[in-house]
Amino acid sequence: GEKVEQHESTLSVREGDSAVINCTYTDTASSYFPWYKQEAGKSLHFVIDIRSNVDRKQSQRLTVLLDKKAKRFSLHITATQPEDSAIYFCAASWGNMGYKLTFGTGTSLLVDP
Amino acid sequence: NSKVIQTPRYLVKGQGQKAKMRCIPEKGHPVVFWYQQNKNNEFKFLINFQNQEVLQQIDMTEKRFSAECPSNSPCSLEIQSSEAGDSALYLCASSRGVSNERLFFGHGTKLSVL
Repeated sequence: GEKVEQHESTLSVREGDSAVINCTYTDTASSYFPWYKQEAGKSLHFVIDIRSNVDRKQSQRLTVLLDKKAKRFSLHITATQPEDSAIYFCAASWGNMGYKLTFGTGTSLLVDP
Repeated sequence: NSKVIQTPRYLVKGQGQKAKMRCIPEKGHPVVFWYQQNKNNEFKFLINFQNQEVLQQIDMTEKRFSAECPSNSPCSLEIQSSEAGDSALYLCASSRGVSNERLFFGHGTKLSVL
């Protein structure tokens, strides 16, 4: 089955710097790649997603890049703020009728003020 | 604040006991998922529903786990005979559709099997 790997288990940046979190996946059929954020004591919250028909998507300070050849996708956060501190999970899925996400094991991002 | 409501937040059971947890999906969301998140942040998909019908489930779910999403009632996940390895955070999520949609998660039910 599909496997998703997150390469950084922890990442520490200074406020205002950029942060990059990288993920790889194994199933070439994967077509949907969302990112979720989990802050301490809170539920998982959707951050941004990208579908396989594009290789880049931006939403304010967040950009997702998708490299289908390398089976790699990444989350870029610019001008980081302390409120960005959380565990970020990448995920992948495929399927049009009944899909299930396969998650990475999370990257704990700490933004130092 | 999450609009997917999971109860209870914490559940403590002895080995061999039944453990039941509930989920009310976000209003208007016909698709419901259950995931198990262990202490290493590994997620395991358990089952998903569209309205009352099971879409997909894994083998484990077929054997010791049972789940349902009756109309006009909360969805539920029950472990028939809890094992120590079942200790985890059980997450319920809902979405608008069956085709790669954003998931809305509840806070989860943390199960501890002693």
